[in-house]
Amino acid sequence: DIQMTQSPSSLSASVGDRVTITCRASQNILNHLNWYQQRPGKAPKLLIYAASSLQSGVPSKFGGSGSGTDFTLTINSLQPEDFATYYCQQSYTTPLLTFGGGTKVEIK
Amino acid sequence: EVQLLESGGGLVQPGGSLRLSCAASRFTFSTYAMSWVRQAPGKGLEWVSGLSGSGGSAYYADSVKGRFTISRDNSKNTLYLQMNSLRAEDTAIYYCAKGADSSGYWPDYWGQGTLVTVSS
Repeated sequence: DIQMTQSPSSLSASVGDRVTITCRASQNILNHLNWYQQRPGKAPKLLIYAASSLQSGVPSKFGGSGSGTDFTLTINSLQPEDFATYYCQQSYTTPLLTFGGGTKVEIK
Repeated sequence: EVQLLESGGGLVQPGGSLRLSCAASRFTFSTYAMSWVRQAPGKGLEWVSGLSGSGGSAYYADSVKGRFTISRDNSKNTLYLQMNSLRAEDTAIYYCAKGADSSGYWPDYWGQGTLVTVSS
């Protein structure tokens, strides 16, 4: 089974900051990596698919990069609505999907 | 925009059964694979099961294989999850999720979730 490891598990940041979240796969998954945002009490929302493609309607402040085993989600100019938990997910072994453990972005 | 509305959650005793439903609208339901993903209280996301658009191919996580059954009624635009032999560790919010394209199971839209609590 492919394991997905996110780091950090949580971080504190201020409004206006740029934050970076990393996700590492236990084996090569090419670019089959998606990122989701989950606000408290809400369902997850797709932000980035295929490692770097921005989902329709998602602001360009969100960016994804990487391939193989190492991936990054970057959020520019953090706003109050961006404080949430972010999950990576590999779809290389679709239909069996694996999520990372999540990164909680909190207000400093 | 895509709408997914789950129902059927509730409190059930260990060993009991429950059937979840997910009513889909605003997209051609039969064209897309669908999945169930769960989230235990305060925990991360766990993929549970996936089903092809035709309903002919079903897939399960090892943690639920043999106990849960996924199905769909394309005439009713509805996805189901039959859960039997429920355990305390099945307690979670269960999300219905639409596959991103005709062959992809990874979700692009999610429902609001329904809470399943397994407790005596």
